[in-house]
Amino acid sequence: DSGVTQTPKHLITATGQRVTLRCSPRSGDLSVYWYQQSLDQGLQFLIQYYNGEERAKGNILERFSAQQFPDLHSELNLSSLELGDSALYFCASSAGTAANQPQHFGDGTRLSIL
Amino acid sequence: DAKTTQPNSMESNEEEPVHLPCNHSTISGTDYIHWYRQLPSQGPEYVIHGLTSNVNNRMASLAIAEDRKSSTLILHRATLRDAAVYYCILRDFQGGSEKLVFGKGTKLTVNP
Repeated sequence: DSGVTQTPKHLITATGQRVTLRCSPRSGDLSVYWYQQSLDQGLQFLIQYYNGEERAKGNILERFSAQQFPDLHSELNLSSLELGDSALYFCASSAGTAANQPQHFGDGTRLSIL
Repeated sequence: DAKTTQPNSMESNEEEPVHLPCNHSTISGTDYIHWYRQLPSQGPEYVIHGLTSNVNNRMASLAIAEDRKSSTLILHRATLRDAAVYYCILRDFQGGSEKLVFGKGTKLTVNP
């Protein structure tokens, strides 16, 4: 058990809809990262928050947004969903931002767009 | 981000040691070498990391070449539970890039 909790585990919705994925980091971790894993693109970094502030952005679509709340949990919002958004979405957390600090991953949310 | 090269797949027998290689010829002096693995239907899991010296932990050992252009993850006695995709990743401690850049990794199959 990594200590990172992601909900829901599975989400099935239709094109054009909007969904929210939730992540609770490990106790004490200030950094939260979001990654997307699809069959054709592999694991890709989307966005990072540190103590409530956006710190880094990857190849995140404009239709996607995220935030980190004062209690440090994070939400990833995906809107105007397309078939290609079907993927596994992982959240990870780490204590800080140093490159020698490991990231701890949740079990992911599997998003299926019909 | 500096690039790593790993074999696509490797096979091992249960209870035998496994040596997973990684080449990173363009590594910079400020890059940490990290290893993660992803078991089927799970999120990636941190395994080990190092900078210059060899490292051991309860999961594995990391052997780093003297010139740091390659490294080897060593599983001392493979179990069926070690079947996973193993990723070798470089992280620059000066670059401010805390994100992990995953390649295709090495798929390890462990035979009973």
